[in-house]
Amino acid sequence: DAMVIQNPRYQVTQFGKPVTLSCSQTLNHNVMYWYQQKSSQAPKLLFHYYDKDFNNEADTPDNFQSRRPNTSFCFLDIRSPGLGDAAMYLCATSIASRRAYEQYFGPGTRLTVT
Amino acid sequence: ELKVEQNPLFLSMQEGKNYTIYCNYSTTSDRLYWYRQDPGKSLESLFVLLSNGAVKQEGRLMASLDTKARLSTLHITAAVHDLSATYFCAVDSSGVAGGTSYGKLTFGQGTILTVHP
Repeated sequence: DAMVIQNPRYQVTQFGKPVTLSCSQTLNHNVMYWYQQKSSQAPKLLFHYYDKDFNNEADTPDNFQSRRPNTSFCFLDIRSPGLGDAAMYLCATSIASRRAYEQYFGPGTRLTVT
Repeated sequence: ELKVEQNPLFLSMQEGKNYTIYCNYSTTSDRLYWYRQDPGKSLESLFVLLSNGAVKQEGRLMASLDTKARLSTLHITAAVHDLSATYFCAVDSSGVAGGTSYGKLTFGQGTILTVHP
């Protein structure tokens, strides 16, 4: 089945230790998104790629970076995680089109910072 | 800045009852989505509403969109325990550059629905 896969599902990192979360998709969608969802809050868009074009949200901290080496994969790098970065990180994909379609979400990676 | 507001934020219902969740948004958009989230899980797409007057139904849930009022509703009919979850509406506020939407979503706060026997 076509799907969005995130690895790992659970990640524990130490304060200040860089961490990378990965997302892969078999849907061949050209747009990929990263969302941060803190406990009891709504998902918040961090950035997205339209093909290779990177689009950063204005309020996304510089501590968060992303890479998309090919259509199928996208990575979220947190350079120096703080306690406030503990959250669920959701990857999503969609097809850019004249009429937008729903975003397909992966299962998420729950990040704990100790 | 786009604001998306849901109400109520907490909804406790008895099984068999009907209720409506409201989603108001502050800017012009004709693309609105409803998602369900179970505790500790990811988002599951429920409805995609792409035009004024759009109405979609799936089982005990029905969603509608009024773009002129900037309002979407999610109506629950004869609630059952399995519907207990958090429900989010999300508005697509992305510009359409060159005729292409990038699907930039702004979510409402979420409505935590609990259905009691």
